[in-house]
Amino acid sequence: SQQGEEDPQALSIQEGENATMNCSYKTSINNLQWYRQNSGRGLVHLILIRSNEREKHSGRLRVTLDTSKKSSSLLITASRAADTASYFCATEMEYGNKLVFGAGTILRVKS
Amino acid sequence: DAGITQSPRHKVTETGTPVTLRCHQTENHRYMYWYRQDPGHGLRLIHYSYGVKDTDKGEVSDGYSVSRSKTEDFLLTLESATSSQTSVYFCAISVKGGSNSPLHFGNGTRLTVT
Repeated sequence: SQQGEEDPQALSIQEGENATMNCSYKTSINNLQWYRQNSGRGLVHLILIRSNEREKHSGRLRVTLDTSKKSSSLLITASRAADTASYFCATEMEYGNKLVFGAGTILRVKS
Repeated sequence: DAGITQSPRHKVTETGTPVTLRCHQTENHRYMYWYRQDPGHGLRLIHYSYGVKDTDKGEVSDGYSVSRSKTEDFLLTLESATSSQTSVYFCAISVKGGSNSPLHFGNGTRLTVT
């Protein structure tokens, strides 16, 4: 069963535009993480937000967490062609860092 | 990539044969994980380990076994491969260990069972 589900499944934007991806989950969490995956490669960790945090920034990335709605969003500002990848949210529900991943959002940034 | 090496990178095998995938890390991290990735499912946890000889099952463990006799190696075995086990397999480590720690992933093993 999937804990996190991303929306949209696919997103195509022009270089320079902002990209927003959303993640919804079902049960209470310790933290929520976002990962990026380039074609043919492993996942790369982007950002971790704990359940008692509401917003975090890292460079051009902004993540929000709304535990009352059980949802998170990932905003990539001023997108670049190199941001083309799949993006996954993952939730940690219990100690031991057993992450549960969503199915991902495929982002395409056109130059 | 936190010193994670998966081998082999690609494998084609026949139904009913045993297959072992290897994950090797160079940094002596305690927590290691095996995930499989399939279209529409994201990544699903197969087994994980929190130390030598300490392993436990994940969400989709049926048909898989693991062993960890050394800190640096985490082996995933398909006892008798089936076509449903055709997938991309990823090993991951938790750098900080325990909770609230990002995972670092290897580059995956693409397994095809014919």
